[in-house]
Amino acid sequence: RKEVEQDPGPFNVPEGATVAFNCTYSNSASQSFFWYRQDCRKEPKLLMSVYSSGNEDGRFTAQLNRASQYISLLIRDSKLSDSATYLCVVIFSSNTGKLIFGQGTTLQVKP
Amino acid sequence: NAGVTQTPKFQVLKTGQSMTLQCAQDMNHEYMSWYRQDPGMGLRLIHYSVGAGITDQGEVPNGYNVSRSTTEDFPLRLLSAAPSQTSVYFCASSTRLAGGQETQYFGPGTRLLVL
Repeated sequence: RKEVEQDPGPFNVPEGATVAFNCTYSNSASQSFFWYRQDCRKEPKLLMSVYSSGNEDGRFTAQLNRASQYISLLIRDSKLSDSATYLCVVIFSSNTGKLIFGQGTTLQVKP
Repeated sequence: NAGVTQTPKFQVLKTGQSMTLQCAQDMNHEYMSWYRQDPGMGLRLIHYSVGAGITDQGEVPNGYNVSRSTTEDFPLRLLSAAPSQTSVYFCASSTRLAGGQETQYFGPGTRLLVL
């Protein structure tokens, strides 16, 4: 079983749609959780951290469910510019700073 | 600040050649890492460092060496390039934020083709 798993997609949605991605992780002791965004042939960039109580940043909402060991990302009112690959990232130990990446979920927003 | 810089951007090697991928950051970050990204595989950790003089292996370290003589630099060495090392290589650095949440900053990547 992979340490961090995502549905690779692609998710094809029309503009204005709401779309949600899930990500599961295997290590119950995982400490930190993030969503990164990666545009084609570019480096990953931090989209948002994921906090235990859930957090929102504009149209983006992240949730953490420690009991079921998954995190989610909800995008409301999708824009064409949201088209990208979304990477789920987990840090198992803050002592090492090692990031474990999911393979990414590709989102394609259509006009 | 330049952030995280990587050189070269592109490289073509022949099997058996050696080379060093350069990575530097000017943010005084403790943590630095090297990843490779292959289609359908996501990013996989090659080596990482928690500070100058300290390095450790990641998920796929074979065929690669690293050193961390300064806080700023974290070069990745391919000892004898193989076609399986054709990939996109990303260097990243991070700091520890309050509460243990780290933000990782990535360099623009090096695209390597081994023939």
